[in-house]
This record gives sequence, structure tokens and C-alpha cells, in this order.
Amino acid sequence: GESVGLHLPTLSVQEGDNSIINCAYSNSASDYFIWYKQESGKGPQFIIDIRSNMDKRQGQRVTVLLNKTVKHLSLQIAATQPGDSAVYFCAANDATGTASKLTFGTGTRLQVTL
Amino acid sequence: DAGVIQSPRHEVTEMGQEVTLRCKPISGHNSLFWYRQTMMRGLELLIYFNNNVPIDDSGMPEDRFSAKMPNASFSTLKIQPSEPRDSAVYFCASSTGTREGEKLFFGSGTQLSVL
Repeated sequence: GESVGLHLPTLSVQEGDNSIINCAYSNSASDYFIWYKQESGKGPQFIIDIRSNMDKRQGQRVTVLLNKTVKHLSLQIAATQPGDSAVYFCAANDATGTASKLTFGTGTRLQVTL
Repeated sequence: DAGVIQSPRHEVTEMGQEVTLRCKPISGHNSLFWYRQTMMRGLELLIYFNNNVPIDDSGMPEDRFSAKMPNASFSTLKIQPSEPRDSAVYFCASSTGTREGEKLFFGSGTQLSVL
């Protein structure tokens, strides 16, 4: 029978250009957000995180922007390289009690063209 | 630091067989999570432990799935009996378990195929 899978949005960028990957979250109580990169055959790898008391945080070639008003998160990658090709996931915490769990988005596939 | 270690990397089994997936979290981490990743549903949280105690197992699909954490350095996820629809990549992740340390560190996953 026919199988239907998640339709991963795909962002195609040219090497050297900047990439912007967007994410929406639904839980207004979330106060911690994180981006992961997943390459084929590997587990998700941490890229950058941000707490709700900030609206911007920068790492090496990556920047995360948080807009709590509209519950939106974005990941910016500067000077995108072929090695950046992967699926990128955002996640938000469910901050109840002392233990916390992360809920992941469906992911965006980044394709870097030469 | 060896990171989160999962075994086996690949498991192929027949429907009806018992499957046991294993995980060793990062030393010193107090929280352990089991996720399942499929094309249909993406990355789903199955269960997580804090200080070896199951905190939330609402993501466990059905009674065929069970998870244990007998000590701080070892956890298992068992499927008995397995079914073809259980085919997926199963990830284990760990964290420090505090509100300040919510970042998850993932293992390389176990690719499970149930024929």
C-alpha cells in the first residue's frame, strides 16, 4: 500500500550564502529552545541553544533568534558550507517541575549546492 | 568522554521476536531519554528517567514496549513481541537533569528492522 511520510521542508542554498531556517513552537510556557543538526545515519548533534530571557544568541557561524510574541525561532548559518547539509531540528522544553523534556519539530532539510 | 553509547547499531529480527536495545548515558548525567524516529512521525519521545526513576512514559506506544534503568549507567528498551511497524531508529539521549542543563546528548541510534 501507499505510505505517506512527513514532508520535510527543504531549503536549498548556494555555498557561501547565508541560510535561515525557521521554526514555530506552540507552548507559551517553554523557556528553553535548542537547535540540532542531524546528518544521515547519525544522531542529532547540538548546535546552539537559547533561554527565553534572551532574544538573540550567537555562536560560531550560527545565530539563533527568538521571538516570544509570535512563538517563533530561527537559525541563521553564515557562509553556508557543503558540510552544513543535514536535517535541522528545533526543540522546546516542557518546563514542568524540576525535570524537563524536549519536544522536537519535524525538521528542515538544508541542501548546499556548489 | 565517550558520549552516549547505544547497542546494537543495527538489529534485524522477525516479527514476534523479543528485541532489547541498550544505552549507556554520559557519566554524571541524571536524566535519560528514549526517542523513536520514523519518516511518518519524526522524532518522538517514548519515555524518560530522572535519577533512574521513570518520570513520563506517556509516549510508549503500547504494552509491548517496556524500559528499565536499573542503575545510573545503563538502560534498556524492550519490545516484546516485535512487529513490522516497530521498525525505526531508536535514540537514547542523556542530560544533567537540571533546569540549567536541559541540553540533550544523543547516541548514534539503533536501526531496528522487524521483518
